[in-house]
This record gives sequence, structure tokens and C-alpha cells, in this order.
Amino acid sequence: DARVTQTPRDKVTEMGQEVTMRCQPILGHNTVFWYRQTMMQGLELLAYFRNRAPLDDSGMPKDRFSAEMPDATLATLKIQPSEPRDSAVYFCASGVGGYEQYFGPGTRLTVT
Amino acid sequence: RKEVEQDPGPFNVPEGATVAFNCTYSNSASQSFFWYRQDCRKEPKLLMSVYSSGNEDGRFTAQLNRASQYISLLIRDSKLSDSATYLCVLSSGTYKYIFGTGTRLKVLA
Repeated sequence: DARVTQTPRDKVTEMGQEVTMRCQPILGHNTVFWYRQTMMQGLELLAYFRNRAPLDDSGMPKDRFSAEMPDATLATLKIQPSEPRDSAVYFCASGVGGYEQYFGPGTRLTVT
Repeated sequence: RKEVEQDPGPFNVPEGATVAFNCTYSNSASQSFFWYRQDCRKEPKLLMSVYSSGNEDGRFTAQLNRASQYISLLIRDSKLSDSATYLCVLSSGTYKYIFGTGTRLKVLA
């Protein structure tokens, strides 16, 4: 049963620290998405990649967030420096051609 | 106007009841539609895609009304395990999904 995996599952950090979240998409999937979910905003798309190329990162605060896919089996989302308002659950999802996205378990980030 | 609108609920229904949710959308160019289910503190999981002709999967029926720009989800014979938040999702043909904020369902014993 193929699944998207994410690490870490939980992260507590202090304001100003760097945070790196990792995602392993389902093997064979060519699109990868990063979402952020908060109680107030619901699910927001931060970035997506097709065949490892970034297609859209307009939902991401550019000054502190960056997303990369160094290879087909790894996607990363980095926040530097982190702020308390970044506290949320960050989900990675993957799919084939953008149809039917499959979500990982998420990284619950708390910035104090 | 939001691109996707859902009644947040909660819908409290007894076991065995039939319950239906609607989701309205504003972009008439939307091409793909889905229902996702999200349990508390879990990831969203694909429940079913919504096809133009309507489709059924066991106790779940999804329908699309393009003229009125809404999709619906009907759950028959509700189970306690159906308690979750149901997310309406659409796409306008790009990779970009637009998520609704979800409708909470509580099935009561």
C-alpha cells in the first residue's frame, strides 16, 4: 500500500530557528504539492512541482519559505527564520498529472 | 465570493440516517471535482471523484450540477465511523486544487 511519507511528524521550535520538513512522494507520482492547514484558513496551497520542476509557489511567503525537489524521491520545505504565525500542519501530497492527490500524514509545527 | 463554499456544520445525525451536503463553486471553468474526508488530526483522504453523470460508491453518492454550480455528497445508512469533516475540492484543469473549508459530520449512537 503505497503512501506519502513525511518527517518529522511533530516539530516544536523557537522563533528564529530554521525548520526543514521532508516528504517522500509515492513512487511514480510526478506531481508534488505542499499545503498548510490552520483552523482559521483551512488548506492553503504553498507550492507544487511537476517532474521536479516548481510550477507555482505563489502561495508561499518568499522571504522565509523555500521548497525544493533535489530528486524524484524527496521534496523539502524550509522555513528560515521561523515565526509563531507559521505554526500549522504542513501536508505534502503527490499525484499523477495533478489528478487525485494523495496526502501524507503531515508535520505539525509549533513555533514558540 | 469564495471560490468554494461549504456549510461548516456540524451536521448531527443518528446512526442509520441519510445525510447530504452541498458545495457551491464560483468558477464555471472548473473541470474536476472531488470529495475528501478528513478525520481529526489526520490527513485528508480521497473519498471519491465526482463525475458529470454522478457516481456511487457503496453508501456514498456524489453528483455534479454544472448549471447551478454545485456538487453534492449523499451518505446513506450513516455509521459512527462516518463522523469526520468532508472537504469539497475542485480544479479548473490545472494542477491547482481549491479546497472548501469542510463540513463537519457527527453521527450519533
